[in-house]
This record gives sequence, C-alpha cells and structure tokens, in this order.
Amino acid sequence: DGGITQSPKYLFRKEGQNVTLSCEQNLNHDAMYWYRQDPGQGLRLIYYSQIVNDFQKGDIAEGYSVSREKKESFPLTVTSAQKNPTAFYLCASSIGGVSPRELFFGEGSRLTVL
Amino acid sequence: AQSVAQPEDQVNVAEGNPLTVKCTYSVSGNPYLFWYVQYPNRGLQFLLKYITGDNLVKGSYGFEAEFNKSQTSFHLKKPSALVSDSALYFCAVRASGMDSNYQLIWGAGTKLIIKP
Repeated sequence: DGGITQSPKYLFRKEGQNVTLSCEQNLNHDAMYWYRQDPGQGLRLIYYSQIVNDFQKGDIAEGYSVSREKKESFPLTVTSAQKNPTAFYLCASSIGGVSPRELFFGEGSRLTVL
Repeated sequence: AQSVAQPEDQVNVAEGNPLTVKCTYSVSGNPYLFWYVQYPNRGLQFLLKYITGDNLVKGSYGFEAEFNKSQTSFHLKKPSALVSDSALYFCAVRASGMDSNYQLIWGAGTKLIIKP
C-alpha cells in the first residue's frame, strides 16, 4: 500500500541530545513537509521541500534541520538548540506544483524530552 | 493578516443527530479550503476540499461542507453522527494567490465527541 511511514512512533530524549525522526513515502510525491503539533494549536510548519536536494524553512525552523537527498525520504533532526522539543511531529507529502492538493500524513512521532 | 478560526474547542453531539463543526477564514483573494480529521495519536486524514464551483462539497465518511463566501465560512456537516466520528477536526485554508501547498493556514482544531 502507498503511504508515508514515520519512525519511531515514540521517542525519549535527554536534554542536550540530537534526535532524528525518519519519514519515508512511496507515493512518488515531489513535495514533503514537517509539522509540529502542540495541544490546542493548529499545525505549525517546520520545513518543507518541493524537490530533491532543495528545502526551505517554515514558520518555526529554529532548532531543527532536514535533508532531502532522495525523493522518498525527508528526515528531521531535532537539535539540542530547540528549546522546547516535546511535541507530536507529523510528516506529510503532496503532489507538487501550484494546484491546491491534499496532504497525505504519516502516523506521527511523539518526542518527549526527559 | 490571513487566518482561520474554529470557534469551538469542543462539540458534543448525540449519536444519530446532525453535526456541524464551524470554520471561518480571512484571506486575500479566493480561498482554497480543506477539512482534515485526526484520530488519537494518529496522523491527519483528508476529508474534503473546496476549490471552485458548487458551494456544497461532499467528502469521505458521509461528511460534507458548505462554502459561504459572504460569511467567509466553510462549516463541516454530517446528517447523522456516528460514535466513530469522534475525533479532532482541522480546517485549513490557502489563498488562491499563494503559490504552493506549504502555505496552508491551519485552524486550532475542534474536538468532536459523539455520545451513544
């Protein structure tokens, strides 16, 4: 089945550690996105990529980094510079271009900083 | 500033009754409007979208939404609620002048609780 796979589903991190969240899609989508979800708030865009080897900062990129070396993969690293990293992280993808397309989401990764 | 408002944090409905989850928006130009649903500890799933044309849009799981340009609203509706409809619902908007889907503006979400 086509879809987006995020791993791990749950992750615990000690303060000062970097962690990387995996996101893989087999939908052949050009565009991929990382969102952060906190209780009572809408989704906030961290990074997005519209094509391989290119990515752009979203609204809350500070303390995060990404890479897009392959079309199907868009990993997110939460660095120690992120002041409040405990959150639910969602990866999404869509067909590229300017037409309004629905996003396809992974199941999410819940990061807790101890 | 462009924005989306979901004025109700929570909506409670008895099973079998009609449900409405409200969404209003403020964007420059014509809007593209979306509804997504999220079950606990899961990702979001697309329900429906309005791009142009008929103001009544039908989507997945029996949901529909009505675009009202004069009231700048896009309320989600279902004629008869099921307990399994209980979830978190998000409205999102993109202005037609924006050039990509990364420019979605998200509402804060409405928790829908359907009681047996």
